[in-house]
Amino acid sequence: QQQVKQSPQSLIVQKGGIPIINCAYENTAFDYFPWYQQFPGKGPALLIAIRPDVSEKKEGRFTISFNKSAKQFSLHIMDSQPGDSATYFCAASSQAGTALIFGKGTTLSVSS
Amino acid sequence: GAVVSQHPSRVICKSGTSVKIECRSLDFQATTMFWYRQFPKQSLMLMATSNEGSKATYEQGVEKDKFLINHASLTLSTLTVTSAHPEDSSFYICSARDWGTGYGYTFGSGTRLTVV
Repeated sequence: QQQVKQSPQSLIVQKGGIPIINCAYENTAFDYFPWYQQFPGKGPALLIAIRPDVSEKKEGRFTISFNKSAKQFSLHIMDSQPGDSATYFCAASSQAGTALIFGKGTTLSVSS
Repeated sequence: GAVVSQHPSRVICKSGTSVKIECRSLDFQATTMFWYRQFPKQSLMLMATSNEGSKATYEQGVEKDKFLINHASLTLSTLTVTSAHPEDSSFYICSARDWGTGYGYTFGSGTRLTVV
């Protein structure tokens, strides 16, 4: 059972565009929703995270939108740059200290 | 911020040998660490949860006798791949949760294991 569903699998945008990546979760016990960026051969790096008591969080060019009733959250990357080309993973966990469960990832390519 | 150091970054071993991967929390104590495996162009799949001073909890389908996890201190967890085979070749990543920063999970830089 896939607990965190991520789409699209891949995404191509032009420089300056706003890629949007979506995730949906099933487990209502989840209360922590981070987004990670991963470059080839490297471990994932935290971009931004949100808790279900807020509907939106912005950090720099990255914004998370969260819809608790729909059990969905999304990542928006403003003014995307070629350096943003990477694989992005959404994830979820619960306060109980369980491990992060990852979505399948989205490969983003930003063309110049 | 919280830092997790993982070594080695790359290792090549012969089929049938064992390989140990270390994961250290450098500036915080990690009572719990997590081990993931990632195949090319795939997501991170949780292998096991490592608890300091107790046995690890393995995910369904992960062979505990093959992937030995030891978490003997609050800053060190090790994953030993025993009797490695080519199908064990993968990217192994550890993670720890820094309760001091709330929910934050910090990841190591990963270990690329190639079994020949």
